[in-house]
Amino acid sequence: QVQLVESGGGVVQPGGSLTLSCAASGFTFSNYVFHWVRQSQGAGLEWVALVPSDGGIKQYADSVRGRFTMSRDNSRDKVYLDMNSLRIEDSAVYYCVREGYTSGHAGAFDYWGQGTLVTVSP
Amino acid sequence: DFQMTQFPSTVSASVGDRVTITCRASQSISTWLAWYQQKPGKAPKILIYMASTLVSGVPSRFSGSGYGTDFTLTISSLQPDDFATYYCQEYNRYPVTFGQGTRLDIK
Repeated sequence: QVQLVESGGGVVQPGGSLTLSCAASGFTFSNYVFHWVRQSQGAGLEWVALVPSDGGIKQYADSVRGRFTMSRDNSRDKVYLDMNSLRIEDSAVYYCVREGYTSGHAGAFDYWGQGTLVTVSP
Repeated sequence: DFQMTQFPSTVSASVGDRVTITCRASQSISTWLAWYQQKPGKAPKILIYMASTLVSGVPSRFSGSGYGTDFTLTISSLQPDDFATYYCQEYNRYPVTFGQGTRLDIK
């Protein structure tokens, strides 16, 4: 069965760095686009970044562009999110998400990991 | 800026009630819209994609409709398991955009 398992969350000071990982299993990893979506405590869902199936041109939300870098390793079935210059407002649960139901167009998010908590605090 | 407006933000209802949640896009998105259910402490779960296609395994009391800018999620007869927060999401293009969410409470 499809599984996405995030790791790497934790507590970091403002200005610090953290790398999140997402290990995928149960499907052909290299066929899919992946995203990171975050959710602050008590708030809604915010799209953060995506990486195409071939690792090509990534896209980022304005709020993280220039500070976060998303990547993937198709030989290890993993995606990553390098987060630098972290701010208090980056505190959130970060979800690794697979994009599915595609047919030559962007797709809906068919599988989500359980999330990993990032807390940015002085 | 592109926006998805979801309403109401909260709805209180009873088991057996019919509930409708609405999402409005600031520009036409054809049928590139999905609905998700999220329970406290859990990841969102997809219910519907392409505005009206029910995901396999999702109960038939859930239905979606709409085209262009106006979309609805309807739960025909609320069950205890349905009390949760619901989000719409457009995926017409990148970056995708989520609605603000609708919390469905027990009356």
